[in-house]
Amino acid sequence: GQNIDQPTEMTATEGAIVQINCTYQTSGFNGLFWYQQHAGEAPTFLSYNVLDGLEEKGRFSSFLSRSKGYSYLLLKELQMKDSASYLCAGYSWGKLQFGAGTQVVVTP
Amino acid sequence: DADVTQTPRNRITKTGKRIMLECSQTKGHDRMYWYRQDPGLGLRLIYYSFDVKDINKGEISDGYSVSRQAQAKFSLSLESAIPNQTALYFCATSPNTGDPTKNTGELFFGEGSRLTVL
Repeated sequence: GQNIDQPTEMTATEGAIVQINCTYQTSGFNGLFWYQQHAGEAPTFLSYNVLDGLEEKGRFSSFLSRSKGYSYLLLKELQMKDSASYLCAGYSWGKLQFGAGTQVVVTP
Repeated sequence: DADVTQTPRNRITKTGKRIMLECSQTKGHDRMYWYRQDPGLGLRLIYYSFDVKDINKGEISDGYSVSRQAQAKFSLSLESAIPNQTALYFCATSPNTGDPTKNTGELFFGEGSRLTVL
C-alpha cells in the first residue's frame, strides 16, 4: 500500500514563494505527480517526477528524492489565481494514490 | 467538448435508491478509474479498469459496482445509496502505451459528479 502525507494548508503573499512538501511510503513506486485543483473543479496536471532531481516548468518546479521518499512543489511569483488545493500523488502498479491535498491561500 | 464526460453532473437522491454515474471518453485511452473526493480526505480510488475485460477493486469499493461496457465507457453504480456516499465523484482515464517503462500514469479527469444522498 501507500501512505502520502502533505500539509493541510499554507498561506503566502502575492509575489512570494511557497514550497509544499510531500512524503510517501509506497511499494512498487514508479513516479510522483502534482495536480492543482480549484474548488469544485477537476484536478489538472502540473508535474511528474520519476527520477531524482528538479523539474522546472515556468513558475512551478517539482523535486523528487526517491531514497528519502520525499517530494516538493515550489510555486514562485505567487498570483491570486494560484489559490487552490495542490495534490501529491504516487504512481505504482498502474494507479495513482493521492494525498489529502494542501490548500494554498494567496493573500494580497 | 470535454474529452472525459460524466453524467449526471449533479444528483440528489434518497437512501436506498439505485444510482448510476456514467463516464465516457473520446481520448482512446485503455485505462479508466473512478475516484471519490471528500473534504479533508483527498481522492480515493473506488474501482479501476485497464481494458474492457478487466475490473479491479480500489481502496474503497464496498457499496459500489462498475461496468466497463466498451473501451470508451465506464459506469459506477451504487446499488442502495446511503448518506455517507455523499461526495464528489471523478472519472479519469490514462493511456497505456504498451511499454511499461513509458506508462507515466498521468490521469485525465472528467468534470465530476456531485452526489447527495438524503
